[in-house]
Amino acid sequence: GESVGLHLPTLSVQEGDNSIINCAYSNSASDYFIWYKQESGKGPQFIIDIRSNMDKRQGQRVTVLLNKTVKHLSLQIAATQPGDSAVYFCAEPFSGGYNKLIFGAGTRLAVHP
Amino acid sequence: ETGVTQTPRHLVMGMTNKKSLKCEQHLGHNAMYWYKQSAKKPLELMFVYSLEERVENNSVPSRFSPECPNSSHLFLHLHTLQPEDSALYLCASSPYGAGELFFGEGSRLTVL
Repeated sequence: GESVGLHLPTLSVQEGDNSIINCAYSNSASDYFIWYKQESGKGPQFIIDIRSNMDKRQGQRVTVLLNKTVKHLSLQIAATQPGDSAVYFCAEPFSGGYNKLIFGAGTRLAVHP
Repeated sequence: ETGVTQTPRHLVMGMTNKKSLKCEQHLGHNAMYWYKQSAKKPLELMFVYSLEERVENNSVPSRFSPECPNSSHLFLHLHTLQPEDSALYLCASSPYGAGELFFGEGSRLTVL
């Protein structure tokens, strides 16, 4: 499942540090955002979502922040672990009532021991 | 195990071959999707089926032909593909209108 050949931005962090992955979106009318994680050889996996009426949402070791003013989304991972190494995608749905998700290019997170 | 199973995991085919990718979901969802993930573009939506009816065809060439015989199964029939069609093809499912897609592990296609 790895995005072989894509020159993805890469974030390298030390194990135990906090990670921040950023995403910019263009549609100011978007009201829902999702973060996915894709490990090598696997399909994307849902991490956390946030609606536009919120600025922040927390999960287990992850926090998503939404800044609607500058159309920016971030995913914060606390105490990053080797198992967090993956490609992370932000996504937003187009209209339609079903999940026509549009994905960002992705960021590769590399966690070093 | 994500509840979405794709077969085969790897497929190599010539440009004149006809093959099919299969997806099966055991989650009781009523929407299913095909996405393409390649070296040039990370994740592109190809087709959406909702309640077994195709509701989205995202300008995909006719050499890709989807089929959804029931809410649990989705196929992607492949015919006279080009080398640039080599990619990872991901199937996903979701409850209709819900926010989360559940992806399979993908079928890695190589067209020679």
